[in-house]
Amino acid sequence: GEDVEQSLFLSVREGDSSVINCTYTDSSSTYLYWYKQEPGAGLQLLTYIFSNMDMKQDQRLTVLLNKKDKHLSLRIADTQTGDSAIYFCAESIKGGKLIFGQGTELSVKP
Amino acid sequence: DSGVTQTPKHLITATGQRVTLRCSPRSGDLSVYWYQQSLDQGLQFLIHYYNGEERAKGNILERFSAQQFPDLHSELNLSSLELGDSALYFCASSARTPPETQYFGPGTRLLVL
Repeated sequence: GEDVEQSLFLSVREGDSSVINCTYTDSSSTYLYWYKQEPGAGLQLLTYIFSNMDMKQDQRLTVLLNKKDKHLSLRIADTQTGDSAIYFCAESIKGGKLIFGQGTELSVKP
Repeated sequence: DSGVTQTPKHLITATGQRVTLRCSPRSGDLSVYWYQQSLDQGLQFLIHYYNGEERAKGNILERFSAQQFPDLHSELNLSSLELGDSALYFCASSARTPPETQYFGPGTRLLVL
């Protein structure tokens, strides 16, 4: 089946690292994505990882992929108040459609 | 700014009515995807068009239809609207057929009263 699961909430202090986790079910996924949605706004592509990679780093963002466990994580280093938003994990499956998780609401406290 | 544009930004209408949502993909992108975001269902894939042809359908109601025109813009038509159709509708585009990265527009917020 097609299912992506995320925890709903995460609260961190400014300057700490945030880790948002995601599990997915479709082993044929070729790409996995992280999108950010701020209140009243659209979905902003943050980063993506190809399924044959274990890790990808992009400035403050680090994506880890454990394909065996179908587990994806997004680490945000030095989290700022401007990082407060909802983060969606998504897998790209056959046919190109994206299956999204429920979103993790990240709250960054000063 | 993703380069994907959607109009209108907001739409308020009554039950039973019909509306059309418009999307212009990024320059050069041939694929257009439509998604619905609601509080109870989350983000759901509706339909995918590639260069004018329908490529995949998701949980799209029969009251909903879409098309992609020769200039590659797309329209999502929602008819016989119900209260439960109130949602944020997103369009996304990508450069080639899947799998390719999808860039999302700002969305159209539909409120059915």
